[in-house]
Parts: sequence; C-alpha cells; structure tokens
Amino acid sequence: GQQLNQSPQSMFIQEGEDVSMNCTSSSIFNTWLWYKQDPGEGPVLLIALYKAGELTSNGRLTAQFGITRKDSFLNISASIPSDVGIYFCAGPDRGSTLGRLYFGRGTQLTVWP
Amino acid sequence: GAVVSQHPSWVICKSGTSVKIECRSLDFQATTMFWYRQFPKQSLMLMATSNEGSKATYEQGVEKDKFLINHASLTLSTLTVTSAHPEDSSFYICSARLEPTLPEQYFGPGTRLTVT
Repeated sequence: GQQLNQSPQSMFIQEGEDVSMNCTSSSIFNTWLWYKQDPGEGPVLLIALYKAGELTSNGRLTAQFGITRKDSFLNISASIPSDVGIYFCAGPDRGSTLGRLYFGRGTQLTVWP
Repeated sequence: GAVVSQHPSWVICKSGTSVKIECRSLDFQATTMFWYRQFPKQSLMLMATSNEGSKATYEQGVEKDKFLINHASLTLSTLTVTSAHPEDSSFYICSARLEPTLPEQYFGPGTRLTVT
C-alpha cells in the first residue's frame, strides 16, 4: 500500500512556540487530510485540502497542499497545552472505490507550560 | 454535523467470549463505514470496510470469521470479536463518510477492548 512519511515523529515544545510538521508521499494525492487524536479518543478532522498549492486555516492551524501534490504541511501558531496529541496526515487511496484512506505514522506533540 | 458514536467506550471480557461493538452515525446516513484497530503509539490500521446491505470488505490478514461486521442500516455498523483472546485487546475505532463523493472520514471516540 501507499506509504505516507510523516515527520517529525515527536516534538517537545514550550507553550507559545510555533509548530511545523509535514507529510510526504512517493505518489501524488488529490486530497490531503489532517487529523488530531487526543489520548484515548478517536481522531478529529482538522483540515481538508483539495487543490495543489491550497493554503487553508482553521484558527491557529494552517495547512498547505504541496504544489507537487506529494506533500503537505501543517503549522500550529502560538501553541497552547491543549494542542497536545497525535497529529496524523491522511490521503485517499486513488485505486479504492470504497474510500480507503492511507495514514501517516503520526507526530506526537508535547507542549510544556 | 458528522457525529459518530461508539458503544461501549470500553469493555473487559474473558478469553473465549464474544464482544459486540456498535458504531452509529448520529446526524447523517452512511452507506460506508470503516473499522480500524490501533495499538499504543501506532497509527490506525484499517481492518475492514463496512457497506450497508452487503458484505464487508476485509483487509489482507484480517480474519473475517473472527471479526464479524454487520452494516444493517444506514446509521449502524457492528463489529463482533468472536472467541476473543488476549491478543485481540486493542483500541477499536470506527469512522464514516459524510458524503460518498468526498474522502473525509469522521471518527467515533473508540472502544477499548481488554481480554483477560
């Protein structure tokens, strides 16, 4: 199956700092999705990107669809303690008629007060 | 909109028994639902795709006789872990698509299964 390479694997930052993480693939995607998972909970959709070059914001979060269509970036500005969690990128399997998604391995974010 | 619930949120069962997990789309209809399994500090692993009114499509390596999936209505899919063993202990999460033409999946809160 398709591999999504997500980095960094983990981040330890201080409250107020900005965060940047990315996701890359060897194949192109038509959509990039970013999810956040809190401990013991299911992932929550943060941002969906549909066009190459698209830049979309959701509060302090900003995500970009890379122009090569093989990567995407997620930035969090002025981090706060509730930003703690695992962030996953995901993209649809173009060969699937059932809507299967590929997921990255996640970026574990820890925010120190 | 796009709220997905799961029940129970956690369950403990004895080895050899069966456990049923329900996944419901509360404010929309979902012809397709997905079942994932997640181990600690790992990504989501798709187990099967559940289609309303038809048989589920299982991923390679997932035993269909052990993980029974039923998608009897447009708002309910169930996963039954049969003859559970300790190695089946995991976090099980379901998801559904709000629109059949869009790839976004909306996830339930997950079910923690512990088999003793």
